[in-house]
Amino acid sequence: QKEVEQNSGPLSVPEGAIASLNCTYSDRGSQSFFWYRQYSGKSPELIMFIYSNGDKEDGRFTAQLNKASQYVSLLIRDSQPSDSATYLCAADTGRRALTFGSGTRLQVQP
Amino acid sequence: ETGVTQSPTHLIKTRGQQVTLRCSSQSGHNTVSWYQQALGQGPQFIFQYYREEENGRGNFPPRFSGLQFPNYSSELNVNALELDDSALYLCASSNSGNQETQYFGPGTRLLVL
Repeated sequence: QKEVEQNSGPLSVPEGAIASLNCTYSDRGSQSFFWYRQYSGKSPELIMFIYSNGDKEDGRFTAQLNKASQYVSLLIRDSQPSDSATYLCAADTGRRALTFGSGTRLQVQP
Repeated sequence: ETGVTQSPTHLIKTRGQQVTLRCSSQSGHNTVSWYQQALGQGPQFIFQYYREEENGRGNFPPRFSGLQFPNYSSELNVNALELDDSALYLCASSNSGNQETQYFGPGTRLLVL
């Protein structure tokens, strides 16, 4: 079992819709969670991070964490074609590094 | 654009050769982490350097080695290259390993033939 799992997609949503990206993790010792966006051929860029159970909002993005269910999600409101990218979920398991999932490819259709 | 730079951007090597990749960290950052990203996968942690010392290592063989210099720039060396070493190599710098401050460089794409 991978430590951080994501559906590879592609997840296709129409422009203006809400995109919902999901991630599960296996290490209950994980303390914090990160969402990165990666455009094709580029390096990952940090969108947001979350430590506490519940929701955290930043602009059009909302991260949700449920430690009991070992589940993290990212909602993107009013999705734009420029949001089309691969979204990487990562967990900080305290081993001085992030453990990444394989990413979910999001396609926003104009 | 982050302040993290990497060189070269692309590299082609043959099996058995050795390669050195370079990374300059963002100003104010004293920690550099290296990741390997194979096609279609998420980045995998290779190792981290903090104040010129290796500060953590992932599941990579000893032929992957590194250095950090007093100005916090870093090198990743890979000996005896294998075909499976073909990947995007990412350097990330942070302030004392704080993941919230971690920024990735543009990466070096290595192809081993």
